Amino acid sequence: DTGVSQDPRHKITKRGQNVTFRCDPISEHNRLYWYRQTLGQGPEFLTYFQNEAQLEKSRLLSDRFSAERPKGSFSTLEIQRTEQGDSAMYLCASSLELAETQYFGPGTRLLVL
Amino acid sequence: GDSVTQMEGPVTLSEEAFLTINCTYTATGYPSLFWYVQYPGEGLQLLLKATKADDKGSNKGFEATYRKETTSFHLEKGSVQVSDSAVYFCALSLAGKSTFGDGTTLTVKP
Repeated sequence: DTGVSQDPRHKITKRGQNVTFRCDPISEHNRLYWYRQTLGQGPEFLTYFQNEAQLEKSRLLSDRFSAERPKGSFSTLEIQRTEQGDSAMYLCASSLELAETQYFGPGTRLLVL
Repeated sequence: GDSVTQMEGPVTLSEEAFLTINCTYTATGYPSLFWYVQYPGEGLQLLLKATKADDKGSNKGFEATYRKETTSFHLEKGSVQVSDSAVYFCALSLAGKSTFGDGTTLTVKP
């Protein structure tokens, strides 16, 4: 596997439920990023990790959102008590530490009913 | 904060036409600049990049030049093909964080 993978690709949930998404970066990449993309807009930065350390979080990342990268490899993004406004595509990307080029996964499309 | 403004779309061209998609940015430092492309049903793919002023990024016939004086990174292609139909995103990256424009949808008709 040479690319970034995300699981699941699609998720439909009811308002108030919790959801968790997984991202597996390119194996030698130590930086991992999460973005959210809504229809007709570009990706919005949520957070990023260098190895297992979460270095920056956007103000978009409310306290219902949490991201982890426990061993510096894969990452999870959890949304608690989902709201309809959380419906979006959640994108993961990875890069080498000193490189600005990010490689994106296919995304997880979330629909909150 | 940092921001990227792209030419609004959609853009519709005939095959072999010349393409320009405008992109300007605002940043607190000296960012790297990127164009990403998203084909229907696929994820974001890096199209080209430039890391410093006056650098020209190029790929698949597309070009963009990093213009610090005008804070711009306009995307150009001399002769578009139907297969270039996609959404194009301009982005900047600074200190590990990327900021994207809202995308420009390009449709090329035969």
